[in-house]
Amino acid sequence: KQEVTQIPAALSVPEGENLVLNCSFTDSAIYNLQWFRQDPGKGLTSLLLIQSSQREQTSGRLNASLDKSSGRSTLYIAASQPGDSATYLCAVRTSGSRLTFGEGTQLTVNP
Amino acid sequence: DAGVIQSPRHEVTEMGQEVTLRCKPISGHNSLFWYRQTMMRGLELLIYFNNNVPIDDSGMPEDRFSAKMPNASFSTLKIQPSEPRDSAVYFCASSFGGGRGTDTQYFGPGTRLTVL
Repeated sequence: KQEVTQIPAALSVPEGENLVLNCSFTDSAIYNLQWFRQDPGKGLTSLLLIQSSQREQTSGRLNASLDKSSGRSTLYIAASQPGDSATYLCAVRTSGSRLTFGEGTQLTVNP
Repeated sequence: DAGVIQSPRHEVTEMGQEVTLRCKPISGHNSLFWYRQTMMRGLELLIYFNNNVPIDDSGMPEDRFSAKMPNASFSTLKIQPSEPRDSAVYFCASSFGGGRGTDTQYFGPGTRLTVL
């Protein structure tokens, strides 16, 4: 059974700092990995999707990497802003279209 | 596009009552997913449909839960009878694909269910 773990559970940083969120998964037989953002009381917004054959994806200030063999992914956020405050969820896709989610990292960026 | 639409946004009911949650996926998407999010268990997949057919319902907790997708633009998740432990936020998501590929899932705003 696929298990996804995210570290840290919570992170508080000052504005402008670069930061890294970590995600690990137990079964390396994945199709892809997605990073989502969830704002309080809202649904999930997809940020980046990395196919199993890819090493990284970039979108603006966000960069996600994938090391499938070691079961790890990182989400790098450059020059963090208060608007980046949210919970960030990592999810891996294994069989069919099933996504297995981590428990998330709650990020607070202080002005 | 309006995105994935869910209704109601909030539902408060009493134990034993029937609850029906509704979802309209993004037009053109052929896969639909129902998730449940709680503090204790995080985000869990309950069931997903591809081309209106249930593909994987292994996440449905018990017989009190049922889901239908009568057509490509509508799905329901029903709980009968509801119990306090069903209290959670229920998300619907849709995607285009269903097989291997870049099928990003797009989530609705969720329905917050409280069973008293």
